[in-house]
Amino acid sequence: AQKITQTQPGMFVQEKEAVTLDCTYDTSDPSYGLFWYKQPSSGEMIFLIYQGSYDQQNATEGRYSLNFQKARKSANLVISASQLGDSAMYFCAMRGRGGGNKLTFGTGTQLKVEL
Amino acid sequence: DARVTQTPRHKVTEMGQEVTMRCQPILGHNTVFWYRQTMMQGLELLAYFRNRAPLDDSGMPKDRFSAEMPDATLATLKIQPSEPRDSAVYFCASGAWTYGNTIYFGEGSWLTVV
Repeated sequence: AQKITQTQPGMFVQEKEAVTLDCTYDTSDPSYGLFWYKQPSSGEMIFLIYQGSYDQQNATEGRYSLNFQKARKSANLVISASQLGDSAMYFCAMRGRGGGNKLTFGTGTQLKVEL
Repeated sequence: DARVTQTPRHKVTEMGQEVTMRCQPILGHNTVFWYRQTMMQGLELLAYFRNRAPLDDSGMPKDRFSAEMPDATLATLKIQPSEPRDSAVYFCASGAWTYGNTIYFGEGSWLTVV
């Protein structure tokens, strides 16, 4: 079975600061993928970044980076230089063969960027 | 710009009525998911398909919900009869089968049952 845990229901960050959103996962799969999605107040689910379990380097996409620590089973999202438009709900998710390749989500973290 | 297309975007219906939501996955994607999102339950997987074949619909209330893929370009989620507790946002998502591929979401169908 797969499980994603996001322990921060809400976070605040000041504009232009960096913020880390926590995500831990549990799986017995040797091969899996980890994803982060952003859901703004308008409701759509926007893909942000992907990390494969065998990837040697941490994934980066613009201001987003994924701090992947395989031994600790954590996949934290780091947003650098926060902007007001980053205010949204952020979901961590994973896929793996053991989970039937379906996407399992955490409960999300609500991020608010303040001036 | 390829995207998952869902219709209707918004639907208000009376209890007992049939509701059909439609989804056009991204061309070439062979895996389609239906998720439901509510404040109380978060994101729940209702059903998913691989190459149009249903793989898992254990998250779906079988007595009133049904999901199908009549062809590779159309997935449907039907509720009959609808109840107020079905009020939620329903997302369709698509991607390639293997775990290393990203799943892309549609904009959601916002359903209100009164």
